[in-house]
Amino acid sequence: DAGVTQSPTHLIKTRGQQVTLRCSPKSGHDTVSWYQQALGQGPQFIFQYYEEEERQRGNFPDRFSGHQFPNYSSELNVNALLLGDSALYLCASSYTGTPDQPQHFGDGTRLSIL
Amino acid sequence: DAKTTQPTSMDCAEGRAANLPCNHSTISGNEYVYWYRQIHSQGPQYIIHGLKNNETNEMASLIITEDRKSSTLILPHATLRDTAVYYCIVSRGSNYKLTFGKGTLLTVNP
Repeated sequence: DAGVTQSPTHLIKTRGQQVTLRCSPKSGHDTVSWYQQALGQGPQFIFQYYEEEERQRGNFPDRFSGHQFPNYSSELNVNALLLGDSALYLCASSYTGTPDQPQHFGDGTRLSIL
Repeated sequence: DAKTTQPTSMDCAEGRAANLPCNHSTISGNEYVYWYRQIHSQGPQYIIHGLKNNETNEMASLIITEDRKSSTLILPHATLRDTAVYYCIVSRGSNYKLTFGKGTLLTVNP
């Protein structure tokens, strides 16, 4: 049973560029959440997708957008990259039908902005 | 969501029990306590969660006080591989955001 998978594992971009990160949820999960983790900090919630719609959003600018596909996989898009966007981007999945059950995380995409 | 308070760091000898405390004095009646850990360069790993009762699984035990204002994560026989940052999180469930603090860096020493 595959867990949460993310791609790519590492990515290097320059300021002003755009990036797309991908996430496949754990089998049986229908909800995907994205988090940003800066070096030395805990993860910060970006947004959550359910039924192909954004259900909740954290305190991130509109440069951060997402999408969820019918197979529940998800993408995180970041436009006009800034140096401060350098971070580990984590995807977590869960099943909405069992709300007490935990979110499960992938190992993230390490994004470096030059 | 309720905020949590954890010690910045703790040490534990290999083979001994590690007891990690967490204060969540503003927790609401419908909020769960979740524990995750993160080993360097990996994603957070779920450990255990609970609402009111104490819980135990193959990884750890979770003790929640009767007033639910604090909890303790117990790793019964710590190994070197348990060295990680441990996060205590209060949330209404998986359909809601997880708010991570800075966690506790647990170092297991040989």
